[in-house]
Amino acid sequence: KQEVTQIPAALSVPEGENLVLNCSFTDSAIYNLQWFRQDPGKGLTSLLLIQSSQREQTSGRLNASLDKSSGRSTLYIAASQPGDSATYLCALYYNFNKFYFGSGTKLNVKP
Amino acid sequence: DGGITQSPKYLFRKEGQNVTLSCEQNLNHDAMYWYRQDPGQGLRLIYYSQIVNDFQKGDIAEGYSVSREKKESFPLTVTSAQKNPTAFYLCATGRGNTEAFFGQGTRLTVV
Repeated sequence: KQEVTQIPAALSVPEGENLVLNCSFTDSAIYNLQWFRQDPGKGLTSLLLIQSSQREQTSGRLNASLDKSSGRSTLYIAASQPGDSATYLCALYYNFNKFYFGSGTKLNVKP
Repeated sequence: DGGITQSPKYLFRKEGQNVTLSCEQNLNHDAMYWYRQDPGQGLRLIYYSQIVNDFQKGDIAEGYSVSREKKESFPLTVTSAQKNPTAFYLCATGRGNTEAFFGQGTRLTVV
């Protein structure tokens, strides 16, 4: 069974710092990987989608990488801002029928 | 304005009552999903549907029921058999069964 782990569970950084969020998975036979942002009491907003044949995707200050062989993905946030404070979740599309989610990393960017 | 609409945003259930959460989409996506999120935890899959008139149990289907009579709609009923229904419920669709899109969620509270 696929298991998805996100470390750390929580992270607090000062504004302007570059940071990395981690997502690891146990079965490398994934179809794609997606990073989401969730604000308190809200739904999930998609940030980046990486197909299994890709190594990374970039959007603005965000860069996500995927290494299937090692079962890892990272989300890099450059020059963090207080508005980046949220919970970040990774999700895998696996076994051609459903998504598997990590439990998220709660990020706090201090002004 | 394309998207996924969940209603109501807040719902209160008395002990022994059945309640139905609505999920409507105009994205023309075939796949639809229901997830449950508890505080500080990841998303757990309740039910999913890959096509109209077909649906499958997820990891925590007990005490829940769904229907998929139309492509646009995937309502979730929380029955009295669900002993701990207080949670945040998220509906999602899958584009090409590979990329997930989410509604804004329904918060259900037992009173």
